[in-house]
Amino acid sequence: GAGVSQSPSNKVTEKGKDVELRCDPISGHTALYWYRQSLGQGLEFLIYFQGNSAPDKSGLPSDRFSAERTGGSVSTLTIQRTQQEDSAVYLCASSPGPGETQYFGPGTRLLVL
Amino acid sequence: KQEVTQIPAALSVPEGENLVLNCSFTDSAIYNLQWFRQDPGKGLTSLLLIQSSQREQTSGRLNASLDKSSGRSTLYIAASQPGDSATYLCAVGETSYDKVIFGPGTSLSVIP
Repeated sequence: GAGVSQSPSNKVTEKGKDVELRCDPISGHTALYWYRQSLGQGLEFLIYFQGNSAPDKSGLPSDRFSAERTGGSVSTLTIQRTQQEDSAVYLCASSPGPGETQYFGPGTRLLVL
Repeated sequence: KQEVTQIPAALSVPEGENLVLNCSFTDSAIYNLQWFRQDPGKGLTSLLLIQSSQREQTSGRLNASLDKSSGRSTLYIAASQPGDSATYLCAVGETSYDKVIFGPGTSLSVIP
C-alpha cells in the first residue's frame, strides 16, 4: 500500500516568505508526527497529532511555526516569515496509533535564502 | 528533560563481524523505544520497536534489548553486511507519547 507522502519534496524560498509543507499519512493511521533535521544535527521533534488534536505544541521552535491536521488525515506545517535557520529537512511520520511503529515519509528539503 | 545519547558516534567494521550499538536515555519513564536506520538522502526506516514492558525484540539478524531501569538499549547486528551501512538512530517515546526524542545516531560502515 501507499506509504507516507510529503510535498513538496524540495522548496527554496526567500527569507521572510511563508511556506506550507504537506504530509499525507498512511490511510487509517491516527497518529502523525512532524520532525526537523537540520544539517549536521539530529532529529528534532516538533509536534504530534492524535486524530486532529495536538496535545502538546511546545516542541515547535517559535510562534512562526504552526501545524494543523484536518479530517484525521492530511497535515500541514506552516512556517511564517521564514528565516535562514529554518533551512532543514522536515520529516513527517505516521503510526496506526500512539506509541506504535512510526513510518516516515521522504521529507521536504527546505532552503531559505 | 529527556536526553538520548548514542555510542559510538561512528563505527567501521569488516564484513561478517557482529556488532553492538548503544543507546542511553536519562528518564526511564518511557512508553517505548524504537530503532531506525537512515540511508543518505533518504527517509527513516523502522527496524524494531520495543514497548516499555518488553525486554527485547528480534528481526532477522537484528536484536534490540531494553533495560528501562538503567536507561539503556542495545542494537545487536549479527554477521554484518555492506548493505547494513547506514546511520542508526534510537528514539524514545515518552510516557505521555506525545513526544519522541531521537538520539544523534551511530554512523555504521561495513567494509567488504
